[in-house]
Amino acid sequence: DIQMTQSPSSLSASVGDRVTITCRASQSISNSLNWYQEKPGKAPKLLIYVASSLQSGVPSRFSGSGSGTDFTLTISSLQPEDFATYYCQQSYSTPYTFGQGTKLEIK
Amino acid sequence: QVQLQESGPGLVKPSGTLSLTCAVSGGSFSTSNWWSWVRQPPGKGLEWIGEIYHSGSTNNNPSLKSRVTMSVDKSKNQFSLKLSSVTAADTAVYYCARGYCSGTGCYLDYWGQGTLVTVSS
Repeated sequence: DIQMTQSPSSLSASVGDRVTITCRASQSISNSLNWYQEKPGKAPKLLIYVASSLQSGVPSRFSGSGSGTDFTLTISSLQPEDFATYYCQQSYSTPYTFGQGTKLEIK
Repeated sequence: QVQLQESGPGLVKPSGTLSLTCAVSGGSFSTSNWWSWVRQPPGKGLEWIGEIYHSGSTNNNPSLKSRVTMSVDKSKNQFSLKLSSVTAADTAVYYCARGYCSGTGCYLDYWGQGTLVTVSS
């Protein structure tokens, strides 16, 4: 199985901050990397697919980059509704695997 | 707008079989999508369980060994999950989701709201 490792596991930030979350794959996955946002009691929401494509309806302050083994999710200017947990997921090969999550908290 | 809704018992006894169904509405079921199951134990991260194509082809997570059975009922626009020999470790929120594959990759773009299944006697 391909292991996905996110860093940091948790992060405190303020409204307006620029935030970057990193995801590393245990082997090359080309650009087969997706990012999801999860809020308590809600289903995960797709933000970014194939590393850098913004899902329809997702604010442009979210962006993704990377290829191979190293990927990043960037939020350019944090908004109150962005405080949530973020997961990366590889879809290069089954079993599709998720990172352990990054919890973004208000400072 | 595609919508998915999970249904099934919220409590299953140890060694029993967990059975869930996901009803799909607002879109064509028999298109090039993989219909997926993902679970999340309380306080933990997401685990991909498996996926089924409208033709019935499946991909499963080997970590669940041969305990997983998935099926699709195109006439009802729904797909199902069975997980046998459950233990407390299978207690989780279970999500169904649509897996969409384009030429550049696959991703889960629509999700059900999730249903908590507790394994307990």
